[in-house]
Amino acid sequence: DTAVSQTPKYLVTQMGNDKSIKCEQNLGHDTMYWYKQDSKKFLKIMFSYNNKELIINETVPNRFSPKSPDKAHLNLHINSLELGDSAVYFCASSHGGGEKLFFGSGTQLSVL
Amino acid sequence: GNSVTQMEGPVTLSEEAFLTINCTYTATGYPSLFWYVQYPGEGLQLLLKATKADDKGSNKGFEATYRKETTSFHLEKGSVQVSDSAVYFCALNYNQGGKLIFGQGTELSVKP
Repeated sequence: DTAVSQTPKYLVTQMGNDKSIKCEQNLGHDTMYWYKQDSKKFLKIMFSYNNKELIINETVPNRFSPKSPDKAHLNLHINSLELGDSAVYFCASSHGGGEKLFFGSGTQLSVL
Repeated sequence: GNSVTQMEGPVTLSEEAFLTINCTYTATGYPSLFWYVQYPGEGLQLLLKATKADDKGSNKGFEATYRKETTSFHLEKGSVQVSDSAVYFCALNYNQGGKLIFGQGTELSVKP
């Protein structure tokens, strides 16, 4: 079984649309994250949740809204998509605020 | 602020060559340091870590030593294989909460 799984793997959409990316982990971790990786492979944290509570909220446009229905799931909803949102989005999880993160395989978002 | 700088890639080596990927950091306090690896089409995986000065992290033939005096954490491997081809990320964690700060990644390509 995949430890951290995110769907979809690829997402191609038009500017202005609203889309969601889903993430689930079966590791029993209580902390989950969203990272954004740009075209130059630069990786930056967006959000972190611990037991459904928002812990880290970096400087991210409020068009991005994470939702954690339970500690095994962290979804990312994006409103009014812009060209600059094109990137690979990675979900990750860890035990507590641990330093060993387990990453999903990424969602490649392309905004046309 | 806290930051990580890695040598620019791509790095291209022949099989069995010696590998060094440089990483330097800027941080207040005493961060933990990490190397993560991203194989093509996959999420990042923890490769090794060191939590205090002079610690050496090692895994799968890779090593890195936490050098406080030079604020460095260079990754080395004595003999690379084609299967080591990937993007390598240096990272630091300067507080609890899993807020890893990543370098820009260094792509390694190993040719047979």
